[in-house]
Amino acid sequence: QSVLTQPPSVSEAPRQRVTISCSGSNSNIGNNPVDWYQHLPGKAPKLLIYFNDLLPSGVSDRFSGSKSGTSASLAISGLQSEDEADYYCAAWDDSLNGWVFGGGTKLTVL
Amino acid sequence: QLQLQESGPGLVKPSGALSLICTVSGDSISSGNFYWGWFRQPPGKGLEWIVSLYYAGSIYYNPSLKTRVAISVDTSKNQFSLNLTSVTAADTAVYYCASAFGGRDDPFNIWGQGTLVSVSS
Repeated sequence: QSVLTQPPSVSEAPRQRVTISCSGSNSNIGNNPVDWYQHLPGKAPKLLIYFNDLLPSGVSDRFSGSKSGTSASLAISGLQSEDEADYYCAAWDDSLNGWVFGGGTKLTVL
Repeated sequence: QLQLQESGPGLVKPSGALSLICTVSGDSISSGNFYWGWFRQPPGKGLEWIVSLYYAGSIYYNPSLKTRVAISVDTSKNQFSLNLTSVTAADTAVYYCASAFGGRDDPFNIWGQGTLVSVSS
């Protein structure tokens, strides 16, 4: 069981908007920034959002992140088929003194 | 441009040790600019962080794996390695090495392609 909680799957139609939630606790999300990773099968994970809401160079601005209290969200607008992937949230955990991940959310573009 | 590449045996026997190397190119592992990490993804499961280290000595372990994990740095070869002992089928996974520019809790922005390690007799 993952320390951070994500929905196992989400789906939405092309060109629509979808959000993926990530719930944690005071020792991780509540006290540290959240990062999001996109993982396509057979590929290396890709940093999608860092420090809650910042986009690395080259990442489409269709992706956005937010955090409130002990929860965070990833939003993807203008959905495209290429967005089909697994998405993971991650945060440093002060109690465990290490990284914790969500279980991952599989995005299906209908 | 920083690049990482994992290497090691693809098959390990139960109760044995899994040893992987991550070769770094594009910058020096001892530049002091990065934290280095190992992650894994078992089949059908999510990403799991294993360990992070700074070349000068700071190491952070996943508590659930700490007793079986060893990590080291070879600055002469610009490599860092992972050794996981007493492996079982549950350790079958794709293993990734990655780098974070900055401190221990900065995001991992560069990843290797991953290497599949199967534990089987």
